[in-house]
Amino acid sequence: QSVVTQPPSASGTPGQGVTISCSGSSSNLGTNSVHWYQHLPGTAPKLLIHGDNQRPSGVPDRFSGSKSGTSASLAISGLRSEDEADYYCASWDDSLRVVVLGGGTKLTVL
Amino acid sequence: QVHLVESGGGVAQPGRSLRLSCVASGFTLRSHAMHWVRQAPGKGLEWVALISYDGANKYYADFAKGRFTISRDNPKNTLDLQMNSLRGEDTAVYYCARALKEHTKTMDVWGKGTTVTVSS
Repeated sequence: QSVVTQPPSASGTPGQGVTISCSGSSSNLGTNSVHWYQHLPGTAPKLLIHGDNQRPSGVPDRFSGSKSGTSASLAISGLRSEDEADYYCASWDDSLRVVVLGGGTKLTVL
Repeated sequence: QVHLVESGGGVAQPGRSLRLSCVASGFTLRSHAMHWVRQAPGKGLEWVALISYDGANKYYADFAKGRFTISRDNPKNTLDLQMNSLRGEDTAVYYCARALKEHTKTMDVWGKGTTVTVSS
């Protein structure tokens, strides 16, 4: 079981918005930044959000991140078919001294 | 253009060893910490190890401690992962990833991975 937890699945229709949650603890999300990755099977994972809410250049502003205490969220607005992928949150855990990754959320665009 | 290319994957018997390599291009490897992350079949991404920009500091997931060793050769722009005492549960696609300069725990560029299969 992951130290950081995410819902296993999420879905939405094109044009809709969807939010993916990520829950941790005081030693990881409560202390350190959260990052989000997008992964399509067979491809290299992609950094979507770092430092809780910062988008790397090239990431559309349809993707946004937020964090409050030991919980974080990734919001995707204006869903597109190409957003169908697995999404992972991640952080550093000060107690375990490891990078902790959520179990991943499979997003389906209906 | 920034690229990471992994190699060294293959089939190994339980208990044997494999050495994975990752070649970096398009950026100065010595300026960045580096990570290995894996994905077992049907499972999510799982962090393996982190090495600081100069190789002085290394961190490992529990399953990797004592069996895996992360190392780097900055002049050759390469990152390695020596995997010993392999187990069936080590079967996975292994990705190398670059860390952000300003935040070494964040992986901003990833390779496409190399597949390791542990089977007798």
